[in-house]
Amino acid sequence: ETGVTQTPRHLVMGMTNKKSLKCEQHLGHNAMYWYKQSAKKPLELMFVYNFKEQTENNSVPSRFSPECPNSSHLFLHLHTLQPEDSALYLCASSQRQGPTGNTIYFGEGSWLTVV
Amino acid sequence: AQSVTQLGSHVSVSEGALVLLRCNYSSSVPPYLFWYVQYPNQGLQLLLKYTTGATLVKGINGFEAEFKKSETSFHLTKPSAHMSDAAEYFCAVSDRYGGGSNYKLTFGKGTLLTVNP
Repeated sequence: ETGVTQTPRHLVMGMTNKKSLKCEQHLGHNAMYWYKQSAKKPLELMFVYNFKEQTENNSVPSRFSPECPNSSHLFLHLHTLQPEDSALYLCASSQRQGPTGNTIYFGEGSWLTVV
Repeated sequence: AQSVTQLGSHVSVSEGALVLLRCNYSSSVPPYLFWYVQYPNQGLQLLLKYTTGATLVKGINGFEAEFKKSETSFHLTKPSAHMSDAAEYFCAVSDRYGGGSNYKLTFGKGTLLTVNP
């Protein structure tokens, strides 16, 4: 138990569906992240929120839409995805975005399969 | 931007043998370096980190890493491998972006460690 909870753990969706991934952190952190982990590729940072404000959008296609209503919750809304979007999506949080003490705590991930 | 190179996508050792996982980084400023471990079907867990001070850093589960500035390396070692160490290991560097005080982790591609009985 890392203090970062992701739901659902597994999701299968069609290319025309709309679904959402949810992340909740119980650590009192102020920064939250979405990472994408695909086979044989480095972890890709998708979005960063710092005090609910988005500070990074790493050229992510608009079919991925993040939402951060407060410092404890982060969503990733999905619509009209492609099969190549199938991956493990990891949510993470840290106390702040400074370089030191910036230990990032990860959730267990949501396995997404687009069919 | 900083980058991380992990040499060897797959390392196999015998139980009780030395574990050495290699990581080299590129950075124009003093780096902050991390090792994370990912067990099957789980997220990433911090093993250890280097920020400043002592260059030999000890982490959980008997792992340690040494920051060598001259070699731009941060290799991960463990004297004696255990079956439970089988996992994927990621080296990461803290990377500043946006001109402000925002930082993010840039990860290597990972090294899968298998431990043979």
